[in-house]
Amino acid sequence: AQTVTQSQPEMSVQEAETVTLSCTYDTSENNYYLFWYKQPPSRQMILVIRQEAYKQQNATENRFSVNFQKAAKSFSLKISDSQLGDTAMYFCAFMKPDVNAGGTSYGKLTFGQGTILTVHP
Amino acid sequence: GAVVSQHPSRVICKSGTSVKIECRSLDFQATTMFWYRQFPKQSLMLMATSNEGSKATYEQGVEKDKFLINHASLTLSTLTVTSAHPEDSSFYICSARDRRDSYEQYFGPGTRLTVT
Repeated sequence: AQTVTQSQPEMSVQEAETVTLSCTYDTSENNYYLFWYKQPPSRQMILVIRQEAYKQQNATENRFSVNFQKAAKSFSLKISDSQLGDTAMYFCAFMKPDVNAGGTSYGKLTFGQGTILTVHP
Repeated sequence: GAVVSQHPSRVICKSGTSVKIECRSLDFQATTMFWYRQFPKQSLMLMATSNEGSKATYEQGVEKDKFLINHASLTLSTLTVTSAHPEDSSFYICSARDRRDSYEQYFGPGTRLTVT
């Protein structure tokens, strides 16, 4: 079974500064997907960024980028120029594709424990 | 972008009664929907995977007779909490996978259930 670990229960950062959230995972699979989701106080889950394991290039979405270290099974999220609206709980998640079409395990997400990020003005 | 709705957003029910939560994909067809439960400041716990036209697959430890899931169409899945008790009070979130996109899941806004 896959496990995802976020070792930072809470983090804080000043507005406009950079913060990095850590995530490690354990799997024996070679092909998989990794995600970072944001859950603001509204509790709506929002996809921040996605990384395919077969891609060596780190994914980037505007102020959000990842440092994907496949051998180390590490997938950290860097938020640059932090904004007040970035205040949220962030979840790292793992997805293993199911090679069996129609299999019920297809697309299951395994989430980490979450990191509460607070951006201070 | 793809939108998933949940209804109701909040519900309060008395102990012993049943409550139904709907999850709809509004602008795409979802062959698979997922139901999660989340306690305050904790992670999402997958309860079950719902496939259109077939029985749901429940995660270990989730009572299938208590949490009834029906996925009758490509745009609707329902979760019924039967004989609810105060310990069932929680935040329930659904997500849906677009049949055209193998890996993307779109999340609903969640339903807060309070059992008194």
